[in-house]
Order: sequence, then structure tokens, then C-alpha cells
Amino acid sequence: AQTVTQSQPEMSVQEAETVTLSCTYDTSESNYYLFWYKQPPSRQMILVIRQEAYKQQNATENRFSVNFQKAAKSFSLKISDSQLGDTAMYFCAFNNAGNMLTFGGGTRLMVKP
Amino acid sequence: DTAVSQTPKYLVTQMGNDKSIKCEQNLGHDTMYWYKQDSKKFLKIMFSYNNKELIINETVPNRFSPKSPDKAHLNLHINSLELGDSAVYFCASSQRFAGGYGYTFGSGTRLTVV
Repeated sequence: AQTVTQSQPEMSVQEAETVTLSCTYDTSESNYYLFWYKQPPSRQMILVIRQEAYKQQNATENRFSVNFQKAAKSFSLKISDSQLGDTAMYFCAFNNAGNMLTFGGGTRLMVKP
Repeated sequence: DTAVSQTPKYLVTQMGNDKSIKCEQNLGHDTMYWYKQDSKKFLKIMFSYNNKELIINETVPNRFSPKSPDKAHLNLHINSLELGDSAVYFCASSQRFAGGYGYTFGSGTRLTVV
């Protein structure tokens, strides 16, 4: 079974600065997909970014980018120019093509003014 | 137009009662899911349906019974509610089961059993 680990339960960052959230996973598969989801206080789960394991290029979505290290089974999320609206729980998730989404335990991010 | 809608958003009920949570998606997706988020925010899959067929049934008490009348709807019925069932329940959908498609989530149902 796949496992996803987020080693930082809580983090904080000053507005306009950059922060990196860590995620590691364990799998024996070679083809899979990785995601970061954001859950603000409103409780809604929002897809932030998606990475396909067979693509070496790191995914980016505006201020959000990932550092995908397949050999190290690491998938970190970098948020640039942090905004107050980025305050949320962030979940890393793993999807083995043909299987369900397995989530990490989450990192609570607080952006301070 | 809400893509994945769940009702109700909040549910407070007494132990021993039976309750249902409804979910509908208007995205034309083939696959729907129920996830449970506990008080520590941990998200765990409960069930998945693909085109009305049950394909994932994790270790969940049989007091929980999903029903999918068509591929746009996936309801969750819970019998004999217990205090430990208190959690947020999320419905989600994806375009297909296989292929690494991201999920679209509903806004969640906070169930409180007293």
C-alpha cells in the first residue's frame, strides 16, 4: 500500500515571502500521479497542482510550483509571494493510476501580515 | 452552478439514529467517492463507485451503506450512529477511475453525533 508523509504539521510565513511544504511517499509503482490540495477554513478541498511521475519537468501553476524528485520519492510544494488567502491546510496526495487518492496528514500553513 | 454538491452541510443527530447524506455531480464524471475527514484532519477513502458499480469498499463498518442510483449521484446512509462517526464527510468525483485524474470535491458535511 502507498503511504504519504508530510513531516511539517504546521508552518508560518510572512506575507510576500516564499515557503516550501514537504511531502514524501512510498510506492513500488513507476507510473503514478501526485497532487497538492488546499483546504482553507471554508473546508472546501481545492486542487492546487498535479504532477505526472513520468514527466521530469516540474509542474507550475502561477505562484505554486513543485520540486519532484522521483528517485528520492519527494514532492515538495513551493508557494512564492505568499498571500493572506494562502492560509490553509495543504494536503499532498498520491494516485496510482487505477487506484484511489491517498492523502498525507496535512500541513497547516499560516500566512502572517 | 456547483460542480459537486452535498446536502446537508451540517448534521447534528443523536446516537442510534439513522441519517443520509446526498451527493450530486453535474460534471459528467464516471467515478464518485466518499472520504471521511477526522478531527485531526486526516482524510481516508471509504467508498468509490464507477458508473454505478462499487469498486472500492475500504474497511468501514457495515452501518455505512453507499447507494448510487445513477452515475451523477452517490448517497451515504449511516445506521445506528455512534459518537465516533462524528467527522466531516466529503463526496468527490473524477473523470475516470484510472488515469490519475484529480478529484473535484463537494464542500463537505459536518456530522456531529451527540
